[in-house]
Amino acid sequence: GQNIDQPTEMTATEGAIVQINCTYQTSGFNGLFWYQQHAGEAPTFLSYNVLDGLEEKGRFSSFLSRSKGYSYLLLKELQMKDSASYLCAVTDSNYQLIWGAGTKLIIKP
Amino acid sequence: IAGITQAPTSQILAAGRRMTLRCTQDMRHNAMYWYRQDLGLGLRLIHYSNTAGTTGKGEVPDGYSVSRANTDDFPLTLASAVPSQTSVYFCASSPGQGSGANVLTFGAGSRLTVL
Repeated sequence: GQNIDQPTEMTATEGAIVQINCTYQTSGFNGLFWYQQHAGEAPTFLSYNVLDGLEEKGRFSSFLSRSKGYSYLLLKELQMKDSASYLCAVTDSNYQLIWGAGTKLIIKP
Repeated sequence: IAGITQAPTSQILAAGRRMTLRCTQDMRHNAMYWYRQDLGLGLRLIHYSNTAGTTGKGEVPDGYSVSRANTDDFPLTLASAVPSQTSVYFCASSPGQGSGANVLTFGAGSRLTVL
């Protein structure tokens, strides 16, 4: 079956760096997405990786290793507003999105 | 403001009642989707539409139906609601299918409670 694994919850300190991991097992691969979802709100797009390596976008970076079925989202200079759930999703060979359950990130002052 | 509008925002419904969740987008996106989100689970696809006039079943379609009469509207109907359909429902759209870089735009969600 198809599976996306990510930690359920993580805690980090304001101003610090946190890495949220995602591993996947899917039938084919056509890209990996990270979405951010604040409590009670809709998910919003953060990043997309289709080739191996690091994609940097301001304080957020996303890394992909297709051979390992692994990605991470790196958040630097954490701010309180970064408290949210982070959803990992993979597009399979049929271009269907498979979603992880999300990682709830708690930022402490 | 361009985006997706969902209605109602929240609803409490008696079991056995019929309910339609409305979704309208103004981005002229070809593809639209209905997801449900439950605690501890990833977003699960209920139904989708790749273009106006066509629909398809997702991962959890039972008990739900959709229609896509035009590009903008994609209503989701629960013919006879059951308590297991208590969830938060998100409508989403994307420019098209068949591309890896198919970014989804989500509506604000509809919280449905079936008693």
